[in-house]
This record gives sequence, C-alpha cells and structure tokens, in this order.
Amino acid sequence: GAVVSQHPSWVICKSGTSVKIECRSLDFQATTMFWYRQFPKQSLMLMATSNEGSKATYEQGVEKDKFLINHASLTLSTLTVTSAHPEDSSFYICSAPAGGTDTQYFGPGTRLTVL
Amino acid sequence: KQEVTQIPAALSVPEGENLVLNCSFTDSAIYNLQWFRQDPGKGLTSLLLIQSSQREQTSGRLNASLDKSSGRSTLYIAASQPGDSATYLCAVSDFGGTSYGKLTFGQGTILTVHP
Repeated sequence: GAVVSQHPSWVICKSGTSVKIECRSLDFQATTMFWYRQFPKQSLMLMATSNEGSKATYEQGVEKDKFLINHASLTLSTLTVTSAHPEDSSFYICSAPAGGTDTQYFGPGTRLTVL
Repeated sequence: KQEVTQIPAALSVPEGENLVLNCSFTDSAIYNLQWFRQDPGKGLTSLLLIQSSQREQTSGRLNASLDKSSGRSTLYIAASQPGDSATYLCAVSDFGGTSYGKLTFGQGTILTVHP
C-alpha cells in the first residue's frame, strides 16, 4: 500500500524559532498533499492544500506567512512554522491521495512542542 | 460549510461484543466518506472508503454503510477485540472542484474494548 512518511516525528523548540516538517510519499507521486493540525483530544483541522509547483491554498483563518508550505517535488512537501509560539504546539499530520485512488494516506504525524 | 458529528464520543465494551459507531454530516453533496482509525499519538489508518454512489463497504469484521440522502454513516465492528481499542474518525470529501480531496473530520469516537 501507499506509504507517507513525516520527519521529524517530534520536535521541541524555543519560542521564536522556526521549525520545518517534511512530508514524503515513499512509493507514489503526489501532486497534491494536505496539511492538518490536531490539538489534544480534538479532531483534525485542514490547514492547507499543498500543490506541486504552485502556491499552496490555505484554509480560512490559517496565516500563510506563519505556516509556509513548499511542494518542490512530486514526493515532498514541507511545512515551516515560522516564529513559533507555545500556541502553535500541536500534532501536525500530512496526507496525500495515491494516484488513481480516492483513499487518503496519512503520515504518522509530527508532535511540535514550543517552549 | 460541511459539519461532521460522531456519536458517541466514547464507548467502552467487553470483548466479543458487536458495536456501531455513528457519523452524520450536514451537506449531502459529498464525493466520498472514509472511516479511519487513530492510535494514541499516531497518524491515521484508512479502514474503509465509501463512494457517494455506494451503500456499504466491508473489510473483515468491519462494515460501513452510507445513507447520503439522510447524511449518515455507520461503522459496524463485529466481535470486538482489545486490539480494536483506538479513536475512530469519519471524514467526508466534498464534491469536486477545488474541494477535491479535502477532508472534513468528525470529532471521533474513542473506543475501549476490555478483556
């Protein structure tokens, strides 16, 4: 089956620093990837749609200058949390539809803790 | 705006019991509906995907039904096992266009199966 990986699996950083999270499709190409955020005991909220070779599409209320998304290749999308603050602490998950199917495959998630 | 609700929020059952998880959505113009499983601190595993034209899907002990007109889906788990303990999420993909592939999630049902 299709596999999506994320790196790192967890990260702790100081307030004000920037953190980059990678999402890779390991055995398929993904022209589109999705980034979600999940707060403790809550469901997943879509943040943005990452499009290979073009600008990401952000959901209402998500600051595009704070959450920078780059989809530079057909297997890699990155999410950079700029000038992170404690309220950005969350579980970030990416997903991608495998070619020719409607099933979304999710990465294992990245736990971000901002001190 | 699509809203997805899952009932119950939590469920605890003895091993061997059959159980039903419920999911409802407000906008019936969906492309498909998926059920996912999430273990604590982990990503999502796709369990079943039902296209809008389908009524049900089965995989092993799992059976998912879809009544698009009434905005409801159920996930039936037969002969539950302790290993089934997890959070179960349903998500709908809205129909086509720029919304394609974007998922709206319910809050999830936390299932505990005790020996």
